[in-house]
Amino acid sequence: SAVISQKPSRDICQRGTSLTIQCQVDSQVTMMFWYRQQPGQSLTLIATANQGSEATYESGFVIDKFPISRPNLTFSTLTVSNMSPEDSSIYLCSVGAGANTGELFFGEGSRLTVL
Amino acid sequence: QQQVKQSPQSLIVQKGGISIINCAYENTAFDYFPWYQQFPGKGPALLIAIRPDVSEKKEGRFTISFNKSAKQFSLHIMDSQPGDSATYFCAASGGSNYKLTFGKGTLLTVNP
Repeated sequence: SAVISQKPSRDICQRGTSLTIQCQVDSQVTMMFWYRQQPGQSLTLIATANQGSEATYESGFVIDKFPISRPNLTFSTLTVSNMSPEDSSIYLCSVGAGANTGELFFGEGSRLTVL
Repeated sequence: QQQVKQSPQSLIVQKGGISIINCAYENTAFDYFPWYQQFPGKGPALLIAIRPDVSEKKEGRFTISFNKSAKQFSLHIMDSQPGDSATYFCAASGGSNYKLTFGKGTLLTVNP
């Protein structure tokens, strides 16, 4: 299984600011994803982070709000831009286990509170 | 994303009892059905998963039952323990597609 480290683990942010979340994986992975989990809610896929190309965003999520970088096969960042209280969520990085198993490993998440 | 409907929203079980969580899906292209377990402050962790070529899969105290014709699958936790208290999510994906669609989760509380 992959070990996924996310930073920061939690943060309190002011409205209108931006925050970048980092995801580091202990091995090279092809598939990397960013999910959002709003308080007491399920997980919603934000985007697929593609190495060397622009991320692929799901319906309802746009690059201007959630820019993503994927400079190599072990690292990605998600930025939450121009934050509002509605962005208060847990943001989770996940990676595919490989070999088309469909299995995903998740980081422990970054809990953001926007005041 | 296609929906995956999960019930119940919360469940209280006595130690030693059986916990049952149900999910239903709509998209017949789904062919991978995992269950994730999430403890407070932690990311979800894969618990058990099934593909539609079998109707049941058992791993220890955890069993998935799958009904392809009804497009339903369920998680059974036998001999439930207080340490099983967590939120459980069912999910589904299709093809060689890692993009999971999650249910809304079930908060399981196992009383000692």
